[in-house]
Amino acid sequence: EVQLVESGGGLVQPGGSLRLSCAASGFTFSSYWMSWVRQAPGKGLEWVANIKQDGSEKYYVDSVKGRFTISRDNAKNSLYLQMNSLRAEDTAVYYCARYRRPLRAFDIWGQGTMVTVSS
Amino acid sequence: QTVVTQEPSFSVSPGGTVTLTCGLSSGSVSTSYYPSWYQQTPGQAPRTLIYSTNTRSSGVPDRFSGSILGNKAALTITGAQADDESDYYCVLYMGSGIHVVFGGGTKLTVL
Repeated sequence: EVQLVESGGGLVQPGGSLRLSCAASGFTFSSYWMSWVRQAPGKGLEWVANIKQDGSEKYYVDSVKGRFTISRDNAKNSLYLQMNSLRAEDTAVYYCARYRRPLRAFDIWGQGTMVTVSS
Repeated sequence: QTVVTQEPSFSVSPGGTVTLTCGLSSGSVSTSYYPSWYQQTPGQAPRTLIYSTNTRSSGVPDRFSGSILGNKAALTITGAQADDESDYYCVLYMGSGIHVVFGGGTKLTVL
């Protein structure tokens, strides 16, 4: 079964850091671009970052550039999001998603992990 | 900055047909934007419905269809069912730097 499972969410103070993880299974992880997408409480979905199969290309939404870093470990079938200098507006459910680059679309989604930035 | 626009809400009667649209604050949507559509019910992860304008994702029933209508991408649901009541999001590809942008979503009510 193709599956993505996120972990690492929680409560963090403004200015703090958090590292999210996404464990992939059921497909050849190293063959696909991967993404993080977030959803603030009661709001819509927002693309956060993409990473190429070998990690050589990374792209971010402007609001997280310089603060968030997407990375992957193909040997561990895992995707990561290092989040630094967190702000209240980063509070959201963070979804890991498989990104089909030739199709410019997401096709597999994890269940999400909640990040709350609050003092 | 270009914004991806969707109707905030829509309603349809059970068994009816509804078309949701996805546009741009400036310009027209074409197949070059690779429009895709996602369904999300409260508390759940999104589900991929349509990609590359009109290709249904695996397992999606054929009453969901995608197209370009005029200057917008469109998602049409024929024979609406109660469990189609969800939020629907479109995504447009904006180029190699920005990559993709989500629309604000449409809340569909079936009543």
